[in-house]
Amino acid sequence: QKEVEQDPGPLSVPEGAIVSLNCTYSNSAFQYFMWYRQYSRKGPELLMYTYSSGNKEDGRFTAQVDKSSKYISLFIRDSQPSDSATYLCAMSVQGAQKLVFGQGTRLTINP
Amino acid sequence: DSGVTQTPKHLITATGQRVTLRCSPRSGDLSVYWYQQSLDQGLQFLIQYYNGEERAKGNILERFSAQQFPDLHSELNLSSLELGDSALYFCASSVVGAELTDTQYFGPGTRLTVL
Repeated sequence: QKEVEQDPGPLSVPEGAIVSLNCTYSNSAFQYFMWYRQYSRKGPELLMYTYSSGNKEDGRFTAQVDKSSKYISLFIRDSQPSDSATYLCAMSVQGAQKLVFGQGTRLTINP
Repeated sequence: DSGVTQTPKHLITATGQRVTLRCSPRSGDLSVYWYQQSLDQGLQFLIQYYNGEERAKGNILERFSAQQFPDLHSELNLSSLELGDSALYFCASSVVGAELTDTQYFGPGTRLTVL
């Protein structure tokens, strides 16, 4: 069983829809939670960074962490065709730098 | 543009050969990380260097090795290449990478194809 599980999709939604992306994890020592966006043939780009539990909002993006359920989410409001990419969740243990990534979810926003 | 540079962008080689991938971190960043991305395994951590010293090791094969030089650039050496080594190799850098978890910025990657 992988430490971090993420539905690979693909996920296709119409422009303007609210998108929900999720990851579950098994290692309760994870303290730092990140979402990266990766466009085709590019490197991952950091979108959101959350420490421990709670919510964090940045423009159209909201990240949620529920440590009791070992579950994290990324919500995208008013989705745009430019949001079409692969979204990767990543986690690390406090004091360590190794990032453990989910498989990535391929998202397409249709105009 | 993250500020992390990687060369070459593409590399095509044959089984049994040896290649070197190069990474220059963002200005001021002391830590360099190497990751491998393949279709079946996803993005996997290989190794981390901090200010020239190996800091952490992940799923790195014995045929692979890395180093970080005094000017903080890093090289990943892959030897006795196999077909299964074909993947995207990413370098990332961060400011500290020691006691605190700070943000990792990824380079554009090197696409390695082993024929």
